[in-house]
Amino acid sequence: LAKTTQPISMDSYEGQEVNITCSHNNIATNDYITWYQQFPSQGPRFIIQGYKTKVTNEVASLFIPADRKSSTLSLPRVSLSDTAVYYCLVGDIFRGRYGGATNKLIFGTGTLLAVQP
Amino acid sequence: DGGITQSPKYLFRKEGQNVTLSCEQNLNHDAMYWYRQDPGQGLRLIYYSQIVNDFQKGDIAEGYSVSREKKESFPLTVTSAQKNPTAFYLCASSRTESEQYFGPGTRLTVT
Repeated sequence: LAKTTQPISMDSYEGQEVNITCSHNNIATNDYITWYQQFPSQGPRFIIQGYKTKVTNEVASLFIPADRKSSTLSLPRVSLSDTAVYYCLVGDIFRGRYGGATNKLIFGTGTLLAVQP
Repeated sequence: DGGITQSPKYLFRKEGQNVTLSCEQNLNHDAMYWYRQDPGQGLRLIYYSQIVNDFQKGDIAEGYSVSREKKESFPLTVTSAQKNPTAFYLCASSRTESEQYFGPGTRLTVT
């Protein structure tokens, strides 16, 4: 399973765009890249997932270069409520004994994003 | 409302006692997972289950046990063999090849 490296912390101000970059040099061909958000004493929440190029949803964009050895989560116009830990994961989606696929994800320590007024 | 529930939110136990953490989901997901999180750390996978009556060890299964008798339920027992049981425990579920949905967590303190 590929290991990910991301900054321990980042600071930003309300209204700014925030880009969090994650390195995953050993990503395998079948691996997807997934980002989760976690607030203190809560379970993580799925933000976005991608395989290559760019993916955009209502809350974020994910940029993945052609070599897929890194990825960048982009949060447009952050607010105070975006202060949280953001995890970059490389998912090993594999076929189990019964044929069903399971996302066996490895969570690192994440990036603590602190948004200030 | 569909979702995952974990109970209780806070749990206190004496050292040497087994304790069972509850996890229930009504999302009709096949796969369920248990993670442990220590302060300032990421999540570590304890056990996961892809289907009823089957489960697999994760990265830190020693000192834990699970059962999956029903699709909706995946209880975790922290046994007295677990050397450092105090932690934040998170349960999750997913459909095949999709993102995981997490419960609110149970904070276990063993003294």
